[in-house]
This record gives sequence, structure tokens and C-alpha cells, in this order.
Amino acid sequence: EPEVTQTPSHQVTQMGQEVILRCVPISNHLYFYWYRQILGQKVEFLVSFYNNEISEKSEIFDDQFSVERPDGSNFTLKIRSTKLEDSAMYFCASSESRVTNTGELFFGEGSRLTVL
Amino acid sequence: RKEVEQDPGPFNVPEGATVAFNCTYSNSASQSFFWYRQDCRKEPKLLMSVYSSGNEDGRFTAQLNRASQYISLLIRDSKLSDSATYLCGLTGGGNKLTFGTGTQLKVEL
Repeated sequence: EPEVTQTPSHQVTQMGQEVILRCVPISNHLYFYWYRQILGQKVEFLVSFYNNEISEKSEIFDDQFSVERPDGSNFTLKIRSTKLEDSAMYFCASSESRVTNTGELFFGEGSRLTVL
Repeated sequence: RKEVEQDPGPFNVPEGATVAFNCTYSNSASQSFFWYRQDCRKEPKLLMSVYSSGNEDGRFTAQLNRASQYISLLIRDSKLSDSATYLCGLTGGGNKLTFGTGTQLKVEL
């Protein structure tokens, strides 16, 4: 069964360091997303991406965050200068069509980021 | 009022019980509604979409009440494997799925 894969599964970093989280979406999917979940809190939308452009982003997704699809398979989330409050599980997701149509996002298993 | 609100629970129910969760939303322009399931420390997975006329999938029934701006999920004959957090999700005009905080269900022997 096709799946979304994420690396690394866990990353520990020092405050102020740059972090890149990587995702390989399902191959025929066109829409890509990043969500985060701080421990014990809700799954929060960060950004959606389509046709090599950000289609929507949340207030959380400030100038410290960026996304890129550097090649035909990877979708990355970069945090330029990490803060303690960036510690969370980051989920990548993809969908075949707009989420409004089917609602089915396929999530990866997540990358846990710990900022010290 | 929060965009999406859910009672966090936990709902502790015995095996075989019927349990229902509600989710209220603030934006009357919300278009599509879904229930996701999230197991502990795992990724969310789609459980079912919620249609205006209500819909059923085995032991699960979802309903939408646009007038009162809530959706519901009913689980009949609860099983131990139903223990999880149930996330309400909805979309507005853009390509974004917004989740509630989730309702935790614990099914016990």
C-alpha cells in the first residue's frame, strides 16, 4: 500500500539551529501539507502546497518556516532558527485532490523535533 | 468561539457500549466535514466523511447539523480496538483541513 514516508523519525537540535524535515508523499498525489502537534495538543495546520507554490498557510507558518519540493519526490519543511516552542511532532500529508473534495489526507508517521 | 471544539474526554466506556461525540464549529461557511482517528503517538487516519444526510459505516454513524453547527459520531457495540482519539476535521474555502482538539475514547473490559 502506498504511504507517505518521513525522515528523520526523531531529531534533537539546539535552539537557533536550522532543521530540515523531509517527506516523500504518495507518488500520484498532487497536494502536500505540513501539520504539527505539540505534545498533548491538537494537530495544527501549517501549510498546504500545490503546483510548486504555497496555496495556504497558517499564522504559525512565519518567516522562520519554508517549504520546498526540490525534486519530483521530496517535500521538505525547513525551520531556519529553531526555538524551544518548535518542539513538536511534525506530520507531512498528501492528497490526490483538494482536501475539500474528499477530505482524505494521507499522513506520514511524523518527525519528532526536540529543541534544547 | 473556537473554530472547532470538541470535548477532550476521556470517555471511558465498557465494551459493547454505544458512545457519541459531538464537535461544534464556528464558521457557518465550512464546507466539508470528517472524522479522523488518531492512535497514541501515531498519525491521524480518515475514519469517515460526514454527509449532510448522515451516513453510516458499519458500527459508525456520522451526522451533520448545519443549523446548529455541529457534527456527531456514534459508535455502536464499542470494541477495545476503538480506543483512540477521534478528531473532528473540517474545510472552509481553501485547501486546508482544520482539526479539533480530539476526543479521547477508552473502551474497557
